[in-house]
Amino acid sequence: SQQGEEDPQALSIQEGENATMNCSYKTSINNLQWYRQNSGRGLVHLILIRSNEREKHSGRLRVTLDTSKKSSSLLITASRAADTASYFCATTRRNDYKLSFGAGTTVTVRA
Amino acid sequence: SAVISQKPSRDICQRGTSLTIQCQVDSQVTMMFWYRQQPGQSLTLIATANQGSEATYESGFVIDKFPISRPNLTFSTLTVSNMSPEDSSIYLCSVEDTGTRYNEQFFGPGTRLTVL
Repeated sequence: SQQGEEDPQALSIQEGENATMNCSYKTSINNLQWYRQNSGRGLVHLILIRSNEREKHSGRLRVTLDTSKKSSSLLITASRAADTASYFCATTRRNDYKLSFGAGTTVTVRA
Repeated sequence: SAVISQKPSRDICQRGTSLTIQCQVDSQVTMMFWYRQQPGQSLTLIATANQGSEATYESGFVIDKFPISRPNLTFSTLTVSNMSPEDSSIYLCSVEDTGTRYNEQFFGPGTRLTVL
């Protein structure tokens, strides 16, 4: 069952703007991973943040994690049309390899 | 990271028939998983494919409907049996890559199944 909620459900931005989406979860986690899915295809792994980390960067992506609030955010800076996709967060619990997915945020970047 | 392929990439099937989906990984992995993504929804874990033993199914999924094989550490199949239109979904396999620093999970390209 899904552990997380994501908001917003959908986001429409202009090319060049930043996109921020949030993920909340219910139980203690081992790590949290963000994925991108283009047009109902496979998931592309973006970034993993461990429970003892607060922030990670990868290129134009910035992920934060607040374990006290049980939430994470994904920021995409200087968005491009190719960033148009659905974005999912997924968590694993300690000693449990199974991923529990959030509902996803659909991002549309307008040219 | 592990490279994962799936076959077929898509299929249109008649109700009552079965479809077997293959998942191939370019390196040996211990953990392989099968997920379902119903239209407009997020991903739900169907089962963990165990090498040399029966798969471990999640609540709501049963072996008779979704038999899984895992003959070795690089290959698995998922069969969707006696299909109905409600089985129309994207089916994805994933692996936990212990070659990465923190055992990230990577996904195959998915199989889009439409049942008429």
